[in-house]
Amino acid sequence: ILNVEQSPQSLHVQEGDSTNFTCSFPSSNFYALHWYRWETAKSPEALFVMTLNGDEKKKGRISATLNTKEGYSYLYIKGSQPEDSATYLCAFHSGGGADGLTFGKGTHLIIQP
Amino acid sequence: DAMVIQNPRYQVTQFGKPVTLSCSQTLNHNVMYWYQQKSSQAPKLLFHYYDKDFNNEADTPDNFQSRRPNTSFCFLDIRSPGLGDAAMYLCATSRTSGSSDTQYFGPGTRLTVL
Repeated sequence: ILNVEQSPQSLHVQEGDSTNFTCSFPSSNFYALHWYRWETAKSPEALFVMTLNGDEKKKGRISATLNTKEGYSYLYIKGSQPEDSATYLCAFHSGGGADGLTFGKGTHLIIQP
Repeated sequence: DAMVIQNPRYQVTQFGKPVTLSCSQTLNHNVMYWYQQKSSQAPKLLFHYYDKDFNNEADTPDNFQSRRPNTSFCFLDIRSPGLGDAAMYLCATSRTSGSSDTQYFGPGTRLTVL
């Protein structure tokens, strides 16, 4: 059974502050790590797909890093805005015939004005 | 424009009464997935179709079945819903089943079982 852990479970951040949170995953049989943002009443939206150790990806104020040897990824948000409030999910793909994603429970981020 | 559409967004059913959730896509993707997310849990893959090939996860209960009549549509059938089947059901698609292929999600159907 694959275990994907996200921490913290929830996070309150003041508008304008920067923040980050963690996704831990098995370091063996790694194929890809996906990050999604899920706003209430909307569809989960893909942020990044990361495949190589040391990968760093950026999209506007959001960036992510990947360490496949130790099995973790960080998601960073710089200068948080109210529209960043969402649940951030990471998902691990182990390849080898497993065609779906194994998700973590998510980090619920609330930006306070 | 919505690319993965799920209907209905909210579904209420009675204990034991069969229910069908639907998903459609405008992306012409080969793969369609169904995930179940129970309260405070991670989304969990139930099964997926690669084209017409059905792939069931080993621990998906027999109570859950799926149909994919054509590329655009996929249905989730729950034959006899129990209280424990109350959850958010997410449909997703991807072009291939490759590990780095982005999965595109619908907004989900929240199922309540009375």
